Amino acid sequence: SAVISQKPSRDICQRGTSLTIQCQVDSQVTMMFWYRQQPGQSLTLIATANQGSEATYESGFVIDKFPISRPNLTFSTLTVSNMSPEDSSIYLCSVEGGASNLPSEQYFGPGTRLTVT
Amino acid sequence: AQSVTQPDIHITVSEGASLELRCNYSYGATPYLFWYVQSPGQGLQLLLKYFSGDTLVQGIKGFEAEFKRSQSSFNLRKPSVHWSDAAEYFCAVGSTGGFKTIFGAGTRLFVKA
Repeated sequence: SAVISQKPSRDICQRGTSLTIQCQVDSQVTMMFWYRQQPGQSLTLIATANQGSEATYESGFVIDKFPISRPNLTFSTLTVSNMSPEDSSIYLCSVEGGASNLPSEQYFGPGTRLTVT
Repeated sequence: AQSVTQPDIHITVSEGASLELRCNYSYGATPYLFWYVQSPGQGLQLLLKYFSGDTLVQGIKGFEAEFKRSQSSFNLRKPSVHWSDAAEYFCAVGSTGGFKTIFGAGTRLFVKA
């Protein structure tokens, strides 16, 4: 299993500003994932972050709005840029538990609850 | 494309009663199926998973799920619900192409005394 921490746990931000969310894993992992969970909704994958390469974004998400860094195998950041109230969500990072190239369970951080006013 | 449907947005059960949460999936090959629980203010925690083999899988916290290929279902069950089980439950399916996990919309469980 993996233990994941996120900072901050919550924040209230003004529209037009940016927030960077940090995700730290207690072991080295190849892929890290960033999800958005809008109020009362399920999880939507924003992007997959591999160390040493550009993040891969899902449809509807762009790098200018959600730049991601992955400087090493245990750490990643997600920035929510030029925020609007529609960005109010919980942002979760996760890693896969399996060592093989098959799908496996994911371990999630506790999330960052963002409110944009 | 794969998809996951959880038909029940919310369910209320009495403490001590049995529970079944429904999950239907759409996937072309043998699916990799998961159930996660999200307690208030928490991240998601894996309850159980199915990759192959025995179609009845046991998980943590007394939960089990049964894979039924003929019905494309992976329903979660618990024989006796505890008040601490009140949470949001997500069914998910994993893909071998791109390793993307698709989550269902979730079912919120309320437990009444």
